[in-house]
Amino acid sequence: AQTVTQSQPEMSVQEAETVTLSCTYDTSESNYYLFWYKQPPSRQMILVIRQEAYKQQNATENRFSVNFQKAAKSFSLKISDSQLGDTAMYFCALDGNQFYFGTGTSLTVIP
Amino acid sequence: GAVVSQHPSWVICKSGTSVKIECRSLDFQATTMFWYRQFPKQSLMLMATSNEGSKATYEQGVEKDKFLINHASLTLSTLTVTSAHPEDSSFYICSAATSHYNEQFFGPGTRLTVL
Repeated sequence: AQTVTQSQPEMSVQEAETVTLSCTYDTSESNYYLFWYKQPPSRQMILVIRQEAYKQQNATENRFSVNFQKAAKSFSLKISDSQLGDTAMYFCALDGNQFYFGTGTSLTVIP
Repeated sequence: GAVVSQHPSWVICKSGTSVKIECRSLDFQATTMFWYRQFPKQSLMLMATSNEGSKATYEQGVEKDKFLINHASLTLSTLTVTSAHPEDSSFYICSAATSHYNEQFFGPGTRLTVL
């Protein structure tokens, strides 16, 4: 069975500060992908970052980076220099033999 | 980038009627399309996976006779909610992928309200 757990239902951060969103997962697949998606109030799902499990190097996309700990099955997202437009729901997702979403973290960036 | 459209974006219908939602991949061919349902402030729940030219695979608890999925071409999948009832009111999101391990590209969603 595959599971994705996001233990932080809500978080807030001051504008320009750094915030880390947690995600743990479980899978028996040896090859899989991990994703962070952002869903702003418009509800359009937007890919933030992806990580291939066989790559040890942590993925980075501008202000967004991940801390991928494969042995611990942890995949956290760090947002640096938070901006007001980062306010959204953030979903961690696992693609093994099937696509699973976590329950989401609602992030609010405070001006 | 890959673009997925959904139509309509919002539909209101009477109880007992059927509603069809279209999902199109505009600039790529999608071998697999997914249909999700999302309740307010909750995560996406996968309803079914469809591959072009074959029957959809439904998740446990999803009524295949109520939620009819057709994936007739590599760029179009449709979800038909048959005999809709107020409890079917929800936000329906489709996504498309070129292969199983690629990222999914999401449509903007369809808000269904059944009166």
